[in-house]
Amino acid sequence: DAGVIQSPRHEVTEMGQEVTLRCKPISGHNSLFWYRQTMMRGLELLIYFNNNVPIDDSGMPEDRFSAKMPNASFSTLKIQPSEPRDSAVYFCASSSYPEGPREDTQYFGPGTRLTVL
Amino acid sequence: AQKITQTQPGMFVQEKEAVTLDCTYDTSDQSYGLFWYKQPSSGEMIFLIYQGSYDEQNATEGRYSLNFQKARKSANLVISASQLGDSAMYFCAMREGRHSGAGSYQLTFGKGTKLSVIP
Repeated sequence: DAGVIQSPRHEVTEMGQEVTLRCKPISGHNSLFWYRQTMMRGLELLIYFNNNVPIDDSGMPEDRFSAKMPNASFSTLKIQPSEPRDSAVYFCASSSYPEGPREDTQYFGPGTRLTVL
Repeated sequence: AQKITQTQPGMFVQEKEAVTLDCTYDTSDQSYGLFWYKQPSSGEMIFLIYQGSYDEQNATEGRYSLNFQKARKSANLVISASQLGDSAMYFCAMREGRHSGAGSYQLTFGKGTKLSVIP
């Protein structure tokens, strides 16, 4: 079975440009999470969706960040305009709302390494 | 206060020996879950093992086991018979309770421990 798919794997852009990161969760999973990983701050949850509905976006750093999940198999994280401090690895993860305790494990995609010059 | 504390920034272990990576957590929830993930230098986050707060037995997955001491609020990862491929960052994470009606939850991660396996 395919795992979580993210694209692009690497993105280099210039300050001020719009960046769109994409994620396809594992088929059948109904929860999707966007994380950001930096050396300084570690892994931070940005936003998560349940059944395509945003549940908690309190981790989104500012209005320049937005996320959508138009259907169960696709989500985007957009940064507009991008700034150098947005440089990080962005992970998408998915899970299924559990019937039992193991099913709520979050499975991560390979990440997108974003560099903003 | 940090919810997940990993006190060992880096650890070394000889190949074929066992190693314990420490994790302590802080929560007032009765129902919670503890996870360990591995992040090799290639960057992906790999799920290793899960322990539920109501599980009476320590979780095991192959060479990985979780030493769960509820009263101490610790969930240490034990890797037996270390291999060179075990060299990576290891993250402990906690899922607290459940958002009523919303169906999902958040993971809080520790800062990680970098494990280096020496041949």
